[in-house]
Amino acid sequence: NAGVTQTPKFQVLKTGQSMTLQCAQDMNHEYMSWYRQDPGMGLRLIHYSVGAGITDQGEVPNGYNVSRSTTEDFPLRLLSAAPSQTSVYFCASSYSMSGVVYEQYFGPGTRLTVT
Amino acid sequence: QKEVEQDPGPLSVPEGAIVSLNCTYSNSAFQYFMWYRQYSRKGPELLMYTYSSGNKEDGRFTAQVDKSSKYISLFIRDSQPSDSATYLCALEQGAQKLVFGQGTRLTINP
Repeated sequence: NAGVTQTPKFQVLKTGQSMTLQCAQDMNHEYMSWYRQDPGMGLRLIHYSVGAGITDQGEVPNGYNVSRSTTEDFPLRLLSAAPSQTSVYFCASSYSMSGVVYEQYFGPGTRLTVT
Repeated sequence: QKEVEQDPGPLSVPEGAIVSLNCTYSNSAFQYFMWYRQYSRKGPELLMYTYSSGNKEDGRFTAQVDKSSKYISLFIRDSQPSDSATYLCALEQGAQKLVFGQGTRLTINP
């Protein structure tokens, strides 16, 4: 199993550009999520999905869009990049049961710089 | 006030020392408590998962939860240079959202 894969590994954008960060998992997990990690801030939840066709907002959703058309894929779209979105982005997947999320498996991350 | 507070460190100790890492939280609804380890430029990986108050051991690692004080700890015995990483606590309340602490950067010196 490849686990959770993310592409690209690195990206530099200019302010105002848009792009999509890709995330895929091959563990048949229903639950997937996107986090951003900034120095001194830990991991903050951007958006999450509890299954195909179902998404919801996390702590810091502004400026980001997601969709979940398949169980395997959960792309994150930056609509109009801003320097404040410079961060490391992690995708994670997990199985959940009775409303509880169990062990999350994280991808290797995408380092994004917005100039 | 953040829901979860964790001292970011950095924390530097000699090899073989006992390490204590801690988090405090404010929301008594949190029921599930986790510790993740993150090596430099890698994604976090689950180290320990606990549900109830008390201690849980796994090799050199012990997770401790005190729900009455809203305090969780991770102890590392006989610390090794390979334990050098950032350790993040994570809490979940059954709402399918994890809340992470800021992470503590730990260095074990040979």
